[in-house]
Amino acid sequence: NAGVTQTPKFRILKIGQSMTLQCTQDMNHNYMYWYRQDPGMGLKLIYYSVGAGITDKGEVPNGYNVSRSTTEDFPLRLELAAPSQTSVYFCASSYDPSAGAYNEQFFGPGTRLTVL
Amino acid sequence: ELKVEQNPLFLSMQEGKNYTIYCNYSTTSDRLYWYRQDPGKSLESLFVLLSNGAVKQEGRLMASLDTKARLSTLHITAAVHDLSATYFCAGTFMNYGGSQGNLIFGKGTKLSVKP
Repeated sequence: NAGVTQTPKFRILKIGQSMTLQCTQDMNHNYMYWYRQDPGMGLKLIYYSVGAGITDKGEVPNGYNVSRSTTEDFPLRLELAAPSQTSVYFCASSYDPSAGAYNEQFFGPGTRLTVL
Repeated sequence: ELKVEQNPLFLSMQEGKNYTIYCNYSTTSDRLYWYRQDPGKSLESLFVLLSNGAVKQEGRLMASLDTKARLSTLHITAAVHDLSATYFCAGTFMNYGGSQGNLIFGKGTKLSVKP
């Protein structure tokens, strides 16, 4: 049981390039999330998904896109990378938040992205 | 505007001492979480608090929740070096995606425990 896995671990992009951050979970969780963490700050939600085919914006969605074609995978796409997108990106997953009182999110190891 | 505020943001402690990290939030929460993050690592869940007066303990860490005061605390007892990390509180809040489990994080408290 690998939990939540993310690739790549590190990436350097040039301004204007595009890339996809991969996230996979093997816990059969319906809910998946993408967060970014800037230095000295807490995490902020970019996008989330409540199941295959269903996604919605979080607090900071501009400059990103997501898709959810399977329960396991939730890739995050950066189009036209900008220096402001330099951050550490975390993917997380959970069961339906309403299904269990102590439901918690499990986080992946993160992707450190630098845009120069 | 929803705010989740932690203090202090930096905490340097000596081993063996006690201290408390505070997490204030500005609206009614559904659940309140505490996470630990080691440098360059992911987040590890420590506690989930649901109801007013909830108290949970694990080793030298104890978390509590006062929903009326909109305050959660993380108390450290007899700190040891291994507790050095950044601690985040986070909550789910009605009207802020709480029913979808969307977490709103504080900025984190960087704890350094020195011998």
